[in-house]
Amino acid sequence: DAMVIQNPRYQVTQFGKPVTLSCSQTLNHNVMYWYQQKSSQAPKLLFHYYDKDFNNEADTPDNFQSRRPNTSFCFLDIRSPGLGDAAMYLCATSRGSGGNTDTQYFGPGTRLTVL
Amino acid sequence: DAKTTQPPSMDCAEGRAANLPCNHSTISGNEYVYWYRQIHSQGPQYIIHGLKNNETNEMASLIITEDRKSSTLILPHATLRDTAVYYCIVRVAEYGNKLVFGAGTILRVKS
Repeated sequence: DAMVIQNPRYQVTQFGKPVTLSCSQTLNHNVMYWYQQKSSQAPKLLFHYYDKDFNNEADTPDNFQSRRPNTSFCFLDIRSPGLGDAAMYLCATSRGSGGNTDTQYFGPGTRLTVL
Repeated sequence: DAKTTQPPSMDCAEGRAANLPCNHSTISGNEYVYWYRQIHSQGPQYIIHGLKNNETNEMASLIITEDRKSSTLILPHATLRDTAVYYCIVRVAEYGNKLVFGAGTILRVKS
């Protein structure tokens, strides 16, 4: 089945140690999104790619970066994780054709723990 | 800020219809109403969306009032697996437009 895949599902890192989270999709969608969801809060968009064009949210800290080497893969890099970055990180995709069809589909998420 | 208002929680008996309301009194003419749900520790799952007509799919029905200021998501025969947080979101259906999640409604389906 076509889907959005996130690896790993659980990631533990140390304070200040760079970490990379991975997302892949078999939907051949143009747009890929990264959301952050802290405990007991709603998901919040960090940034998104339309093809190779990167779009950052105004309040996303510089500590968060992203790469999209091809259509299928997108990475979230946290350069120096702090305790406040512990959260569920959600990847989503959408077709990007606009109009009624631009529904976002989410992966299962990666839960990041910072020690 | 979220543009929708939902009750914080609701209970529903298993096998009965679950009716989840949402107020979106400031909705713009080109904004759609989307519903997602999030089961504990999983990613949000798309349920349904609509502009002004009522919509139905294999998961649920969406009833939008004529003035579009409110809507109701209907799960016709709720099961225990439908226990989740349900988010009502309004957005322009264009690529890159983020989903702005509010607090949602915690639906508890009880046997």
